[in-house]
Amino acid sequence: NAGVMQNPRHLVRRRGQEARLRCSPMKGHSHVYWYRQLPEEGLKFMVYLQKENIIDESGMPKERFSAEFPKEGPSILRIQQVVRGDSAAYFCASSPLAGNGGANVLTFGAGSRLTVL
Amino acid sequence: AQTVTQSQPEMSVQEAETVTLSCTYDTSENNYYLFWYKQPPSRQMILVIRQEAYKQQNATENRFSVNFQKAAKSFSLKISDSQLGDTAMYFCAFISPSGSARQLTFGSGTQLTVLP
Repeated sequence: NAGVMQNPRHLVRRRGQEARLRCSPMKGHSHVYWYRQLPEEGLKFMVYLQKENIIDESGMPKERFSAEFPKEGPSILRIQQVVRGDSAAYFCASSPLAGNGGANVLTFGAGSRLTVL
Repeated sequence: AQTVTQSQPEMSVQEAETVTLSCTYDTSENNYYLFWYKQPPSRQMILVIRQEAYKQQNATENRFSVNFQKAAKSFSLKISDSQLGDTAMYFCAFISPSGSARQLTFGSGTQLTVLP
């Protein structure tokens, strides 16, 4: 049973380009979360999605950032017109349906490190 | 809103010794979960231990145990018989399944170094 798969592991973009980060949740998990970790900081929540539905995007910057979790395929975090301040590690986590606290145990992927030149 | 505070940015411990990492949190919820995650140099986030707020018994996982003080909103992690592989950043985290914000909230982390 593969864990949470994120790709690419490393992505380099020049200012103004677009970055797309992908996350495939664990098998049987229908909840996906995206977190950002800036250098020397803890993880900050960005967005929480279920299939075809954004549940909570309170941590997402208002501009340039978007996320989706389509019916088929991985969840995508998209950053348009990247700037140097977007350089960070982006972590995806997934959890199963709620029940017995299961929804509260998040399994994390290995992260995608974005570097903006 | 929930907040999680880790007041020790860095700590070190001699191999085989015991170390305690501190964490406090603030919430108005009564039902919630607390976690400690470990992030080694590989940057993978690894769940170390989990505590349900409604359980009075402190969680234990091999060499890792917690001291959960609900009234004081304190959740410290004790690592016994420290090993070199325990060197990592440790994050305390909180989630409330019944609150309006169902995301995991992290502290700023404590960098633990185990010295040979």
